[in-house]
Amino acid sequence: DADVTQTPRNRITKTGKRIMLECSQTKGHDRMYWYRQDPGLGLRLIYYSFDVKDINKGEISDGYSVSRQAQAKFSLSLESAIPNQTALYFCATSDGGARGDTEAFFGQGTRLTVV
Amino acid sequence: AQSVSQHNHHVILSEAASLELGCNYSYGGTVNLFWYVQYPGQHLQLLLKYFSGDPLVKGIKGFEAEFIKSKFSFNLRKPSVQWSDTAEYFCAVSNAGTYKYIFGTGTRLKVLA
Repeated sequence: DADVTQTPRNRITKTGKRIMLECSQTKGHDRMYWYRQDPGLGLRLIYYSFDVKDINKGEISDGYSVSRQAQAKFSLSLESAIPNQTALYFCATSDGGARGDTEAFFGQGTRLTVV
Repeated sequence: AQSVSQHNHHVILSEAASLELGCNYSYGGTVNLFWYVQYPGQHLQLLLKYFSGDPLVKGIKGFEAEFIKSKFSFNLRKPSVQWSDTAEYFCAVSNAGTYKYIFGTGTRLKVLA
């Protein structure tokens, strides 16, 4: 079983609809991240959370919101989806370490298409 | 702000050719450096990482990378590529101050059989 699980894996939605992408992890990590991947742009950070009460905006948070329901769950919401939010979305976790010296572990991704 | 630059966007090689992918970062403090690989249709997997110590790090599948602090670089190398190395490769950096992972734009490698 995957340590970082994203649901759904694929979703097509209409412009203006609200959609939630979910991420759960069994790694016991405190830190969780949401990225979006676009061709030629790499991965860009949307939001990140270091614990249930700590939520931070990333580079491209406009149009998105998040909820950290528990240590193991971190959801990303698009309140009113628009076509340029069509992308591959990844959730990631990390243990952090004293100097931040651990790697990030990624989920399988959610391919979102907004029509 | 931190940034990561990957200069090669697309690379095409024949099997057995040598590979070097460039990565430069901008940050003056202590950094942790990573190379991730994404095979077609899959998620990102860690190839190798550098935190401290020997600047030449070895990863999985015969990959290695060298950290050159004076050049702010962390280039990825493999002496002899295989068709199965066809994938997208991402360089990333994090530091203790922000605990964020910043990624480069990626390099798509195609290896011809």
